[in-house]
Amino acid sequence: GDSVTQMEGPVTLSEEAFLTINCTYTATGYPSLFWYVQYPGEGLQLLLKATKADDKGSNKGFEATYRKETTSFHLEKGSVQVSDSAVYFCALQRNAGNMLTFGGGTRLMVKP
Amino acid sequence: DTGVSQNPRHKITKRGQNVTFRCDPISEHNRLYWYRQTLGQGPEFLTYFQNEAQLEKSRLLSDRFSAERPKGSFSTLEIQRTEQGDSAMYLCASSPLLAGYTDTQYFGPGTRLTVL
Repeated sequence: GDSVTQMEGPVTLSEEAFLTINCTYTATGYPSLFWYVQYPGEGLQLLLKATKADDKGSNKGFEATYRKETTSFHLEKGSVQVSDSAVYFCALQRNAGNMLTFGGGTRLMVKP
Repeated sequence: DTGVSQNPRHKITKRGQNVTFRCDPISEHNRLYWYRQTLGQGPEFLTYFQNEAQLEKSRLLSDRFSAERPKGSFSTLEIQRTEQGDSAMYLCASSPLLAGYTDTQYFGPGTRLTVL
């Protein structure tokens, strides 16, 4: 079945550091890929998405590129802020309108 | 704000009791999803509806769980004879159904269930 694997956290960085959170997936066909973010005390919010190979999703300084050859969708940001502290979830969707399959989440803590 | 709303936000119950949660999706969203999230884990799919039709159910959804969306608007998730293992955050999401496009699922704040 479909699965998503994320690097375990917590990831602790200083403000303005470079961020990478690894995500790899297993799925048949060509799924769409997503990053969701959960800030403390809030619900899941879509951060970015990519629907086909080599697409790059971007939002709020975060980027992720859909790599079919390595089945990966790593999240990156050049300079993190304290306000980026949250839990980040990678997810895939095999067909439009169907369920999301999530990874286990990676907690990011950014220190001033 | 017309986002996804869920009620109640918190529910504490004793083992063996029945509980019911409600989800109100974003207006005109055809699809409605239920997920369950335990502490430190990612959400796991439970079931989803397109309008009033329940299209898919996860194997996680035991016979004690039932979901409805009677008029294609709000949905309810009922758990009968609750067990301590049912303690989790229950998330609802909705999305439009746009032919040919990948739709975004918008999540509600969740209902946290604690079974004593």
